[in-house]
Amino acid sequence: DIQMTQSPSSLSASVGDRITITCRASQSISSCLNWYQQKPGKAPKLLIYAASSLQSGVPSRFSGSGSGTDFTLTISSLQPEDFATYYCQQSYSTPLFGQGTKLEIK
Amino acid sequence: QVQLVESGGGVVQPGRSLRLSCAASGFTFSNYGMHWVRQAPGKGLEWVAVIWYDGSNKYYADSVKGRFTISRDNSKNTLYLQMNSLRAEDTAVYYCARDIKVWGLTNWFDPWGQGTLVTVSS
Repeated sequence: DIQMTQSPSSLSASVGDRITITCRASQSISSCLNWYQQKPGKAPKLLIYAASSLQSGVPSRFSGSGSGTDFTLTISSLQPEDFATYYCQQSYSTPLFGQGTKLEIK
Repeated sequence: QVQLVESGGGVVQPGRSLRLSCAASGFTFSNYGMHWVRQAPGKGLEWVAVIWYDGSNKYYADSVKGRFTISRDNSKNTLYLQMNSLRAEDTAVYYCARDIKVWGLTNWFDPWGQGTLVTVSS
């Protein structure tokens, strides 16, 4: 079975910072990697699909990259509404999410 | 606009059954595969099951296989999750989510419903 390892598990940053979250698959998943944002008490929201494609309506400060086993989500300039938990998810086989990264205000 | 609304959650004793529903609106429900994803309190996301747009194929996570059944009624624009032999570890918020692709599956989820809480406890 494919395992997904997301890091860091938590991250403190300030408004305006550039941050990167990493997701690693235990075997190649091509570009079958998606990123979601979840705010407390709310459903997840799709941000990035197929590793680097921005979902409609998502601000351009969000970007994704990678293929094979290593992927990144980058937020170029943090805004107050970006503080949330982020999950990667592989769609290469049986869907599986990473453990999540909680992004907190420094 | 596209909307998914789950219902049917509640408190249930171990070993008992519960059926969740997900009412869809704002899109052609019969064109899309549909998923259930759950989240235990304070934990991460776990995919549970998927059903093809026409109900012809269904797949389950190993953790629920043989106990849960996903189904849909395209005439009612409604998705279901029949949960039998419930265990404490099934306690979670259950979300329904639409697949991205028309007449196929990508296993990308958008949008999601607001979720319904299932608590398995004696």
